[in-house]
Amino acid sequence: QVQLVESGGGVVQPGGSLRLSCAASGFTFSDYGFHWVRQAPGKGLQWVAVISYDGSNKYYADSVKGRFTISRDNSKKTLFLHLNSLSAEDTAIYYCARDEALKQLWLSYFDYWGQGILVTVSS
Amino acid sequence: EVVMTQSPATLSVSPGGRATLSCRASQSVASTVAWYQQKPGQAPRLLMYGASTRATGVPARFSGSWSGTEFTLIISSLQSEDVAIYYCQQYNNWPPWTFGQGTRVEIK
Repeated sequence: QVQLVESGGGVVQPGGSLRLSCAASGFTFSDYGFHWVRQAPGKGLQWVAVISYDGSNKYYADSVKGRFTISRDNSKKTLFLHLNSLSAEDTAIYYCARDEALKQLWLSYFDYWGQGILVTVSS
Repeated sequence: EVVMTQSPATLSVSPGGRATLSCRASQSVASTVAWYQQKPGQAPRLLMYGASTRATGVPARFSGSWSGTEFTLIISSLQSEDVAIYYCQQYNNWPPWTFGQGTRVEIK
């Protein structure tokens, strides 16, 4: 069965950095694009970033552009999100989610989600 | 950016009753709207895509429809396990992928 498991969260000081990982299993990782979506405490869902199945295309929300970097290692079936210059506004649960589109650069909706990992930015 | 607006913010429905959730897109997105269910303390789960197609394993009491830029999710007979926040999302005009602010469904 499809599984996505995030790790790497924790408490970080303002201005600090963190790397989140999302380990995938149960399907051919290299066939799919992946997203990061975050949810601030008590708030709704906010899309953060996406990477295409082959890593050729990456897009970011304006609020994280220039600070966050999405990447993937197909040999390790792992998705990453590098978070830099963090502020309190970045405090959230971060979810990785698989894009439904199979081996396509035109992306779609999110068919599987990880359980999420909490990032807290606080001094 | 396409803005998705959901209403109402909270819906209280009696067990076995009908719940009607609405979502409006700020511009045309055709039928490229998905619905997600998020139960307390859990990750979101795909419920519906293409505005009206149920995802695998979703009970038949959930149905979706659309007209123009108005999208509707109906729970025909509310069960206790349906208590959750429901989000609509458009995936036609990206980036960004955008979500509505959510509708909380409660048991009356």
